[in-house]
Amino acid sequence: EAQVTQNPRYLITVTGKKLTVTCSQNMNHEYMSWYRQDPGLGLRQIYYSMNVEVTDKGDVPEGYKVSRKEKRNFPLILESPSPNQTSLYFCASSFSIGTAYEQYFGPGTRLTVT
Amino acid sequence: DAKTTQPPSMDCAEGRAANLPCNHSTISGNEYVYWYRQIHSQGPQYIIHGLKNNETNEMASLIITEDRKSSTLILPHATLRDTAVYYCIVRDVMDSSYKLIFGSGTRLLVRP
Repeated sequence: EAQVTQNPRYLITVTGKKLTVTCSQNMNHEYMSWYRQDPGLGLRQIYYSMNVEVTDKGDVPEGYKVSRKEKRNFPLILESPSPNQTSLYFCASSFSIGTAYEQYFGPGTRLTVT
Repeated sequence: DAKTTQPPSMDCAEGRAANLPCNHSTISGNEYVYWYRQIHSQGPQYIIHGLKNNETNEMASLIITEDRKSSTLILPHATLRDTAVYYCIVRDVMDSSYKLIFGSGTRLLVRP
């Protein structure tokens, strides 16, 4: 089944403890992206990647890192999480630049930083 | 980026057509209209998109006015599982960020 998977789905952590949220897609998609969703602010793009080893900042990249070493994986790294990074996170992918706006989203990761 | 305006909420009866409007009066020639929906904190789901012609797929139909200043998403036979927030998004396919900009959307409630 074609899908985008994220792990973990739920995470409660403490301030400053490094964490990684994994994202994997099995559709051979070139484009991948991370969003966060907060009440009243909608979804905002954190980082995106056009292809392997090509990443760029979105609208809210501060406090986050990403890497794209393989086409299928696009992990989101929080080196030193803070409470303002408590949010619902979504990974998304699309086949190519030409269809970049037809994005498949993962199920979401609900992160709480205390 | 062209701004979109959608009603905050709508409802319809199960089995009836749901017609969700979107105003995008400042849309430019390179911008497409995309529709997504989000069912209660699940990942958004792509529905359909179009430039100027009407489009139909297995999920919905998209009607775009001739002047392209507004569009309507039609779910022909709404079911309870169609209850969700529906987002109308206008994007320029030449924009290299490829980010989706989600507004407030329309919360559709399908009544039994």
